[in-house]
Amino acid sequence: NAGVTQTPKFRVLKTGQSMTLLCAQDMNHEYMYWYRQDPGMGLRLIHYSVGEGTTAKGEVPDGYNVSRLKKQNFLLGLESAAPSQTSVYFCASSFREGHPSTDTQYFGPGTRLTVL
Amino acid sequence: GQNIDQPTEMTATEGAIVQINCTYQTSGFNGLFWYQQHAGEAPTFLSYNVLDGLEEKGRFSSFLSRSKGYSYLLLKELQMKDSASYLCAVNSGYSTLTFGKGTMLLVSP
Repeated sequence: NAGVTQTPKFRVLKTGQSMTLLCAQDMNHEYMYWYRQDPGMGLRLIHYSVGEGTTAKGEVPDGYNVSRLKKQNFLLGLESAAPSQTSVYFCASSFREGHPSTDTQYFGPGTRLTVL
Repeated sequence: GQNIDQPTEMTATEGAIVQINCTYQTSGFNGLFWYQQHAGEAPTFLSYNVLDGLEEKGRFSSFLSRSKGYSYLLLKELQMKDSASYLCAVNSGYSTLTFGKGTMLLVSP
């Protein structure tokens, strides 16, 4: 099992460009999450999904969109990138909610995005 | 709102014991998690507590007091490889985790 994978690993964008980050998991997890991590700010939730076809906003959703068309994939889109979106982006997944043993989140390796 | 506090940095010596504290104020509680994150890598799950008391997993233990909104992670027999950031996170019952800003632990020889 690969666990949680993310593509790409690194990306440099110019202000105003768009891109999509792909997250894939092979653990049959129901829940998937997108976080950003900035120095001194910790992990902050952007959007999440509790099942195929569903999405919900997290703490910092502005400037991002997501889609969960297949259970194993969760896409994060930046329509018009801004320098404030320079960050490390982590995807995570968990089996389901209900007990910590099943809602433990497993993280992908991260995508380092720089917006110039 | 959700608020989770941890010390920013800690230092310790190889072979010693260190305790990393976490206090939280959340609108609900459905479990507290500890993650380890090495520089440039993804967070990895260490432990969780849902009931009061101590959970032991090898050199690592985690304690929870729900009435005090308090947890700690205890690392014994410190090794150089334990130098990392330690993240406290709370599931407040809304399908998501709220993370603290993390405690950077530096282990010196």
